[in-house]
Amino acid sequence: TQLLEQSPQFLSIQEGENLTVYCNSSSVFSSLQWYRQEPGEGPVLLVTVVTGGEVKKLKRLTFQFGDARKDSSLHITAAQPGDTGLYLCAGARQGGSEKLVFGKGTKLTVNP
Amino acid sequence: SQTIHQWPATLVQPVGSPLSLECTVEGTSNPNLYWYRQAAGRGLQLLFYSVGIGQISSEVPQNLSASRPQDRQFILSSKKLLLSDSGFYLCAWRFGLAGGEQYFGPGTRLTVT
Repeated sequence: TQLLEQSPQFLSIQEGENLTVYCNSSSVFSSLQWYRQEPGEGPVLLVTVVTGGEVKKLKRLTFQFGDARKDSSLHITAAQPGDTGLYLCAGARQGGSEKLVFGKGTKLTVNP
Repeated sequence: SQTIHQWPATLVQPVGSPLSLECTVEGTSNPNLYWYRQAAGRGLQLLFYSVGIGQISSEVPQNLSASRPQDRQFILSSKKLLLSDSGFYLCAWRFGLAGGEQYFGPGTRLTVT
């Protein structure tokens, strides 16, 4: 059972375009993280959101946590080739689990 | 600041040979430690995690095992590798509190031939 569904699975766009990727679940999470991974490297943490409705911005990246803490979105403005990578969302389930639940990722390619 | 190391970076091993991958964390005490496997650049499969020395939780039955001989050392092993063990192995750590983000090492690319 995949508890975190990410969409789209693949996304190929031109430099300068905007995009949004989604991370959805029927479960409630106490926090949710977004990671970016480049080929042959480990995932790098981008942001953690913990409050329902929370919005965080990291330069051209905007992260939002759903009001019910079941979903999240990542919006990139004016994408650049350096944004290319695999974007993973991961959630910490309520109740203090030691583990994170990971989505399968969105593979983003930004063409120059 | 905290850093996490994994070695080797790449490994090519024949079927039936043993395996030992090592992960060490610097700059923190009593971290939670995790081993993941990632196939074809997609989602992460949690293999093992540890909340303390000698404490190992296994997530999937397979021919792999893990050990934590020291507070900041986590080892992934196998006595006999299978072709299906090929993949990208990632170690991660987290502060020893419930919930919260994990930080990943650079990974080990294992190819079983």
